[in-house]
Amino acid sequence: QQQVKQSPQSLIVQKGGISIINCAYENTAFDYFPWYQQFPGKGPALLIAIRPDVSEKKEGRFTISFNKSAKQFSLHIMDSQPGDSATYFCAAGDFSKYGNKLVFGAGTILRVKS
Amino acid sequence: ETGVTQTPRHLVMGMTNKKSLKCEQHLGHNAMYWYKQSAKKPLELMFVYSLEERVENNSVPSRFSPECPNSSHLFLHLHTLQPEDSALYLCASSQARGYSPLHFGNGTRLTVT
Repeated sequence: QQQVKQSPQSLIVQKGGISIINCAYENTAFDYFPWYQQFPGKGPALLIAIRPDVSEKKEGRFTISFNKSAKQFSLHIMDSQPGDSATYFCAAGDFSKYGNKLVFGAGTILRVKS
Repeated sequence: ETGVTQTPRHLVMGMTNKKSLKCEQHLGHNAMYWYKQSAKKPLELMFVYSLEERVENNSVPSRFSPECPNSSHLFLHLHTLQPEDSALYLCASSQARGYSPLHFGNGTRLTVT
């Protein structure tokens, strides 16, 4: 119930293409769904996040789509650039208790070919 | 210094050694976390301190011992580790209330020989 399943494990996209990463969760108590981006040698950094009261959130080239009934959410990267090459983690959290305890997916290694 | 700083960046230790990892945050947050990152596996939450009180201990072996002397500093004391404990250990901080994102440090790469 505490797992977040992420796919694909790795992804190669041509420059200018759309990158899509999918995640699924089981625990309906989760009410916060962030995506993190991690470059080699660095810690993960928050990219974009969504709450379940909306179905989509867009920030620049990055969009989260959220399907509450299916318990799935996805990250779309439009006009993918070589600088987007990184590892992406989805996560889900229940902030109704003290402390922000996120459950992470296993990560997707994205490579954007120029 | 800004953000979340972890030291050392790399650590090699034998199975009988005792060492400590240090984390310091300059963001005014009041919750701090230790995560373990292993290749091709989800980040594993180890410990959470909220308002300087440990509120989470995810069945972590006793050879890992956390310490949070104040809201800006977090330590992870290590002793008699096993080779399978080799991983990247990440510290993070956030506000303890509300939908506050986690801010991660760059981690300590630990190798147990």
